[in-house]
Amino acid sequence: DVKVTQSSRYLVKRTGEKVFLECVQDMDHENMFWYRQDPGLGLRLIYFSYDVKMKEKGDIPEGYSVSREKKERFSLILESASTNQTSMYLCASTQGGAAGAGELFFGEGSRLTVL
Amino acid sequence: GENVEQHPSTLSVQEGDSAVIKCTYSDSASNYFPWYKQELGKRPQLIIDIRSNVGEKKDQRIAVTLNKTAKHFSLHITETQPEDSAVYFCAASQSGGSYIPTFGRGTSLIVHP
Repeated sequence: DVKVTQSSRYLVKRTGEKVFLECVQDMDHENMFWYRQDPGLGLRLIYFSYDVKMKEKGDIPEGYSVSREKKERFSLILESASTNQTSMYLCASTQGGAAGAGELFFGEGSRLTVL
Repeated sequence: GENVEQHPSTLSVQEGDSAVIKCTYSDSASNYFPWYKQELGKRPQLIIDIRSNVGEKKDQRIAVTLNKTAKHFSLHITETQPEDSAVYFCAASQSGGSYIPTFGRGTSLIVHP
């Protein structure tokens, strides 16, 4: 059974704190994504990575950075958390490459509250 | 870049009725169109997808239709059941390049028993 695991389901942080959200997939997928989900706004892409040490900005990268040191792990970093970053964060992966566009596998989500 | 519009944002039906959710996309190069279902408190999961070489695809009570000329695709659910209540997202992406899907804003489907 395919699996995308996010390290924390719920986090509460204070304004200005550094926040790490970890995501691990066990499917040997090349592509990994971080989305932010807010009511009425759908899924908005923050960053994605198509290979180890490679990263590309999505639609809303401001205030975020990412790290992909190993193929299976993709981390989202909030350098200095702000209240407007309170949201649900979803990690996803897909094979890509020669397989072409295909199913995204999502993690359970990390609900972050910034006070 | 790609832009996906999804309507309606909320859909309320009686059990047994049909439900239709519509999406339009802007980039004629898009050729892969998945639909995801997200139940309350759970992760989005793929329920059906269609590629541009096909006009319609069915899987039991759900079907997706694609009109490439008009750049729109739709999800059809027949004989709705309470367990169909969820948020549904459409998406569009390309098989070439980075395969980044662009999502619609979602439709909250409520099926009343």
